[in-house]
Amino acid sequence: GAVVSQHPSWVICKSGTSVKIECRSLDFQATTMFWYRQFPKQSLMLMATSNEGSKATYEQGVEKDKFLINHASLTLSTLTVTSAHPEDSSFYICSARDKTGPTRSAIYEKLFFGSGTQLSVL
Amino acid sequence: AQSVTQPDIHITVSEGASLELRCNYSYGATPYLFWYVQSPGQGLQLLLKYFSGDTLVQGIKGFEAEFKRSQSSFNLRKPSVHWSDAAEYFCAVGVGYQKVTFGTGTKLQVIP
Repeated sequence: GAVVSQHPSWVICKSGTSVKIECRSLDFQATTMFWYRQFPKQSLMLMATSNEGSKATYEQGVEKDKFLINHASLTLSTLTVTSAHPEDSSFYICSARDKTGPTRSAIYEKLFFGSGTQLSVL
Repeated sequence: AQSVTQPDIHITVSEGASLELRCNYSYGATPYLFWYVQSPGQGLQLLLKYFSGDTLVQGIKGFEAEFKRSQSSFNLRKPSVHWSDAAEYFCAVGVGYQKVTFGTGTKLQVIP
């Protein structure tokens, strides 16, 4: 099946530094990618939707300047956590949508997830 | 707004026993419902989905789920659990086009 590679799997950084997380679709073109974060014992919460070649759409309450998303190609999206602070420590996971037909069911059937990145900010 | 509730944070079952993971959703329109599984160090894998039609859906790895509109539920079942089923399970609802809202997850432990 389709594979989404997310890197790194885990990262520890000092407070105030920036961290970049990559999400790659390995065997398909992803016109749309999604970024989620998950706090312990909570749901995965959608942060933003990125479409190749255009600006990301952020969910309410997500700081655009803090979480920079770039989707410069059909196989790569990056999330950069700028000036990270301990409260940004979380599990981040991406998903990518394969080019698909117009039906709603087809859209969901071609949605694939990465393995996630555990970010710890000291 | 849509929401998904998984009331059981952690479940422990014996290998070979049956399993049922509960999921309730709240969504105004016809729901698209999913169950995903996440093993340690791996991404989310789609187990099964419900879009329409037969309310009992079969998935991979011997899992099934039943959509009950009257109860707003989409419980996941497996008749005989294997040790390899130990993982975290997420119920989710598809919102609009392509957005997914997840439950908080249920961690399944399987004991010999």
